[in-house]
Amino acid sequence: GNSVTQMEGPVTLSEEAFLTINCTYTATGYPSLFWYVQYPGEGLQLLLKATKADDKGSNKGFEATYRKETTSFHLEKGSVQVSDSAVYFCALSPPGANSKLTFGKGITLSVRP
Amino acid sequence: NAGVMQNPRHLVRRRGQEARLRCSPMKGHSHVYWYRQLPEEGLKFMVYLQKENIIDESGMPKERFSAEFPKEGPSILRIQQVVRGDSAAYFCASSTTGSGTEAFFGQGTRLTVV
Repeated sequence: GNSVTQMEGPVTLSEEAFLTINCTYTATGYPSLFWYVQYPGEGLQLLLKATKADDKGSNKGFEATYRKETTSFHLEKGSVQVSDSAVYFCALSPPGANSKLTFGKGITLSVRP
Repeated sequence: NAGVMQNPRHLVRRRGQEARLRCSPMKGHSHVYWYRQLPEEGLKFMVYLQKENIIDESGMPKERFSAEFPKEGPSILRIQQVVRGDSAAYFCASSTTGSGTEAFFGQGTRLTVV
């Protein structure tokens, strides 16, 4: 079946540090891949997505590239801010079945001033 | 336009009681999804509903769990005779289309069974 594996957390960084959050997946065919973010006290929000191999999703300084050969979708940001402190979820949606999302466990990012 | 509203935010139930979780979708949204997040796990799909119809309930436990999305009013996730293992965060999402990727999520209801 489909699954998403995220690196273990939590992650604590200083402001302006470089961020990488690893995500790998298992799925048949070519799923769509997503990163969702949950800020404290709020619901999940779509951060970025990629729908085919080698696509790069980007938003708010975050980027992730769909790597079919390594089945990965790692999230990166060059310079994190305190306001990026949140829980980040990697997710996939298999082709033709967009009503279901399979999520990773999520990882908590804390950014220190 | 208010976002997806879930209530209550926190719910405590004793074993054997019933839990009713409510989800009011965004205005104009007729598609609702429920996900559950158990401790130390990711969100898992439970059920997908349109107005008055269950489209996909492949993630729902076979017993004690039910969901509805009536023509009027919020979507309800109902858990009968709760057990400690039902303790989790339950998230609702809504969308205007059948694509879960364009869904907007609520803040979740955290259910604790004591």
